[in-house]
Amino acid sequence: KAGVTQTPRYLIKTRGQQVTLSCSPISGHRSVSWYQQTPGQGLQFLFEYFSETQRNKGNFPGRFSGRQFSNSRSEMNVSTLELGDSALYLCASSTGTVYGYTFGSGTRLTVV
Amino acid sequence: GQQLNQSPQSMFIQEGEDVSMNCTSSSIFNTWLWYKQDPGEGPVLLIALYKAGELTSNGRLTAQFGITRKDSFLNISASIPSDVGIYFCAGLPASGGTNDYKLSFGAGTTVTVRA
Repeated sequence: KAGVTQTPRYLIKTRGQQVTLSCSPISGHRSVSWYQQTPGQGLQFLFEYFSETQRNKGNFPGRFSGRQFSNSRSEMNVSTLELGDSALYLCASSTGTVYGYTFGSGTRLTVV
Repeated sequence: GQQLNQSPQSMFIQEGEDVSMNCTSSSIFNTWLWYKQDPGEGPVLLIALYKAGELTSNGRLTAQFGITRKDSFLNISASIPSDVGIYFCAGLPASGGTNDYKLSFGAGTTVTVRA
């Protein structure tokens, strides 16, 4: 079966712009989580959505937001981009157990 | 998330050698996970541990859930070139609820194999 699909794979944006990243989970997975990966901070949890509702949230500013659609696809939005937002953004979908917790290949965002 | 201290930060190993890395925390965890990340890809789950003292193997990989529930280690036996990558520990804290998937990650161990 198809894995977790993230689009786009690479993105370059200018400081102050906004960006939307997309994540299509494995079919049947209702939970989608987002993580930010940077060399300095490692993998940091952003938020998790389950059945279109945000169920868990990390410690990121309000510029980071997300949503989940009825087909479980999720989008993450970052407004007013800062240089420090440059990172690999990973999403993971889940069946509801950690064994089913599968990561996508990520979107590499570069803010210039 | 809660801090996981992973060590070593990096290692150079000879092909055929055994490798060990560990992860510690000041908090109790209900689940310990070990992931491997190849360049340009997302982390892939290697081993999941659910009970204190549990020892689980996956091929040449063996991981253990510490009895204090505050640590875990991963061993790779007879390393081969494809073992190159970054290994992460991750955990689900005991303070979380049933539906809490706020994984905390270690900083990673970069493994490089000398042929």
